[in-house]
Amino acid sequence: DIQMTQSPPSLSASVGDRVTITCRASQSVSSHLNWYQLKPGKAPKLLIYVASTLQPGVPSRFSGSGSGTDFTLTITSLQPEDFATYCCQQSHRTPWTFGQGTKLEIK
Amino acid sequence: EGELVQSGAEVKKPGESLKISCKGSGYTFTDYWIAWVRHMPGKGLEWMGSIYPGDSDTRYSPSFQGQVTLSVDKSISTAFLQWSSLKASDTAMYYCARRVGNIQGLLRFDPWGQGTLVTVSS
Repeated sequence: DIQMTQSPPSLSASVGDRVTITCRASQSVSSHLNWYQLKPGKAPKLLIYVASTLQPGVPSRFSGSGSGTDFTLTITSLQPEDFATYCCQQSHRTPWTFGQGTKLEIK
Repeated sequence: EGELVQSGAEVKKPGESLKISCKGSGYTFTDYWIAWVRHMPGKGLEWMGSIYPGDSDTRYSPSFQGQVTLSVDKSISTAFLQWSSLKASDTAMYYCARRVGNIQGLLRFDPWGQGTLVTVSS
């Protein structure tokens, strides 16, 4: 199985900050990497697919980059609704696997 | 667009059986695979398997093969996740999600259901 490792596991930031979350794959997944936002009691939300394509309706302050084994999710100018858990998922090979998540908290 | 709505929270005892559901609406249910994903407390998400409502073709993650059963009733646009004998370690939130994208590598899950919390305790 392809292992996905995210860093950091948690992150404290303030409204207006710029944050970056990293996802590393145990082997190359090309650009086959998706990012999701998880909030308690709500359906998870697709943010970015194929490493850098913004899902329609997702604010442009979210962006993704990377290929091969190293990927980043960047959120510029954090908004109150952005405090959540973010996780990556590889779609390169089954079984599809996810990172363990990065919890973004208010400082 | 599309929406998935899951059945409500369940509290069960070890050894009991359980079937939870995921109802699709707002799109052609038989055209897209439905995936099931487990989220255990304090852990990452885990893909359990997927089912194609058009013909009930099913794929399981090796970690979940033999542990759960996926099924679908396309007449009511509903997918099911079933256990025959629950264990305490099955306690988790379970999500269904529509798989979009037809090309390997471009696949992603959207939308997701709101989740079904399953608690197994004696």
